[in-house]
Amino acid sequence: GAGVSQSPRYKVAKRGQDVALRCDPISGHVSLFWYQQALGQGPEFLTYFQNEAQLDKSGLPSDRFFAERPEGSVSTLKIQRTQQEDSAVYLCASSLGYRVDQPQHFGDGTRLSIL
Amino acid sequence: SQQGEEDPQALSIQEGENATMNCSYKTSINNLQWYRQNSGRGLVHLILIRSNEREKHSGRLRVTLDTSKKSSSLLITASRAADTASYFCATDEHIEETSGSRLTFGEGTQLTVNP
Repeated sequence: GAGVSQSPRYKVAKRGQDVALRCDPISGHVSLFWYQQALGQGPEFLTYFQNEAQLDKSGLPSDRFFAERPEGSVSTLKIQRTQQEDSAVYLCASSLGYRVDQPQHFGDGTRLSIL
Repeated sequence: SQQGEEDPQALSIQEGENATMNCSYKTSINNLQWYRQNSGRGLVHLILIRSNEREKHSGRLRVTLDTSKKSSSLLITASRAADTASYFCATDEHIEETSGSRLTFGEGTQLTVNP
């Protein structure tokens, strides 16, 4: 596709439910990043993939958060037993190269609301 | 954690005026990037300045970098109503626990350009 695509755009879930957020990066992009953005704040790093390898997951806030990119393209961020503090916009970004400090291309995010 | 801090938090100007936003950071960097985010959308990369550069131009954008003061500024000249957005600086922050680095965003400046 022309850009990074994320689905769904909006997700409402009840506290305790599991959710799965999908990211389709730009074709051929090696690096893929997940960020969490609270209202009025900048994006906060969650995790980073280089192809199918998850090289950095130190930003995941708890073991309820899990991300995968099994074939090195599409990625899924899963949140188990959701809590109200998980409400945020989840952004996915991809970049062509291997360095984390290269320009990143962002999707429009998934706005997650936990009731 | 957010390495960068933008100043001001909010800026309101008239169309045609110049807008200046500042960013300060804490650790040594390889480069500094500026991104723009329209409401409800993902971030868009604007410009990257390397640590050995002092100034860079791109269209109506001018970025400066002062590594001795650990600060950068983004100047938008002859602003337009369409420039209304949030602007974020981002730096590569070394992460001790992974011996890697990640892109760390500031909290952003909300720019409003009034027609």
